[in-house]
Amino acid sequence: EAQVTQNPRYLITVTGKKLTVTCSQNMNHEYMSWYRQDPGLGLRQIYYSMNVEVTDKGDVPEGYKVSRKEKRNFPLILESPSPNQTSLYFCASKWNSGANVLTFGAGSRLTVL
Amino acid sequence: AQKVTQAQTEISVVEKEDVTLDCVYETRDTTYYLFWYKQPPSGELVFLIRRNSFDEQNEISGRYSWNFQKSTSSFNFTITASQVVDSAVYFCALSDDARGAQKLVFGQGTRLTINP
Repeated sequence: EAQVTQNPRYLITVTGKKLTVTCSQNMNHEYMSWYRQDPGLGLRQIYYSMNVEVTDKGDVPEGYKVSRKEKRNFPLILESPSPNQTSLYFCASKWNSGANVLTFGAGSRLTVL
Repeated sequence: AQKVTQAQTEISVVEKEDVTLDCVYETRDTTYYLFWYKQPPSGELVFLIRRNSFDEQNEISGRYSWNFQKSTSSFNFTITASQVVDSAVYFCALSDDARGAQKLVFGQGTRLTINP
């Protein structure tokens, strides 16, 4: 089944404790992206990658890191999480080009205390 | 810069009523794509429709219909004879094709509640 898989789905952590949210897709998509969803703000892009070893900032990249060493994986790293990073996170992938539809993972709900 | 506005934060209707969700967008590009996604209470994001900027034909899919008007920069979504299962948050989104289209810009979302 074609899908985007995120882990963990739920996580409660404390300020400053580094964490990684993994994302993997099995569709051989070039493009991958991370979004965060907050009430009243919709989904905002954190980082995106148009291919292996190519990443770029989205609208809200502060406090996050990403890497794209393999085509299928695009982990999101929070080096020193803070409470304002409490959010619902979505990973997504698609073929390059604006016409293509993003396929989203199921989401990862992160709480930073 | 691109922008999508969904002015209706929440809508509540009784089952079987028709309901329209508004979406207004801003872009300077001549080629762009508009999308609607549904987020049911379970939380996943489900793709509903894509429209490109050169195709202004309205689309109907069962009880769902979409009205795309470039003159007013709007891409509204209507559910006819609403059902409880339509209860969800609905997002409108905009993507361009410049430099490979790096971003899908989302509106704030409209929470739709269908009451039995």
